[in-house]
Amino acid sequence: QQPVQSPQAVILREGEDAVINCSSSKALYSVHWYRQKHGEAPVFLMILLKGGEQKGHDKISASFNEKKQQSSLYLTASQLSYSGTYFCGTAHNAGNMLTFGGGTRLMVKP
Amino acid sequence: EAQVTQNPRYLITVTGKKLTVTCSQNMNHEYMSWYRQDPGLGLRQIYYSMNVEVTDKGDVPEGYKVSRKEKRNFPLILESPSPNQTSLYFCASSLSGQAFNQPQHFGDGTRLSIL
Repeated sequence: QQPVQSPQAVILREGEDAVINCSSSKALYSVHWYRQKHGEAPVFLMILLKGGEQKGHDKISASFNEKKQQSSLYLTASQLSYSGTYFCGTAHNAGNMLTFGGGTRLMVKP
Repeated sequence: EAQVTQNPRYLITVTGKKLTVTCSQNMNHEYMSWYRQDPGLGLRQIYYSMNVEVTDKGDVPEGYKVSRKEKRNFPLILESPSPNQTSLYFCASSLSGQAFNQPQHFGDGTRLSIL
């Protein structure tokens, strides 16, 4: 079952912050985050493993709440280059399948 | 350069005409996978392979076949394509035989139109 991402779309001005959420109805083992620009392949951002960790990558960070079966991606002081569609991918065991959400389209305007 | 290469990038074909989309990686990755991407549905996994000669179904395997005879190649076969298989297809690979803790490296995609 696909994880649910929210919001489906968001428009920001440069410098503003955004949060993208990813929720699952099943217990999560890990969560992946990817960004895809229009006409390009998805690009890996980060993986969070179960244990409630938080990770950061420049001004993009993420948290993973195992109990709530959800992860959030935080984009702070957004830049034009952050525009694209963000996908979370979830794994429900230490196995071989990733299930992706429907994506969140982010547009950053000058 | 480390990469995942898919061919063709674009294909328009007709219902029932068998086709193969090739995928090759030069990173010595064990895990390879095929996804289809449709508007609003994100990426859905078709098939994956943990290593040579080991393949398994993903969420949407119907109408597709795969094989993994060599580590670097993972072709996607549509024996009798139908219009509902019109989609954008991505091949991906990752280092180990498990997907949960490894970044996926994606190819540039193959846009398939079946008339």
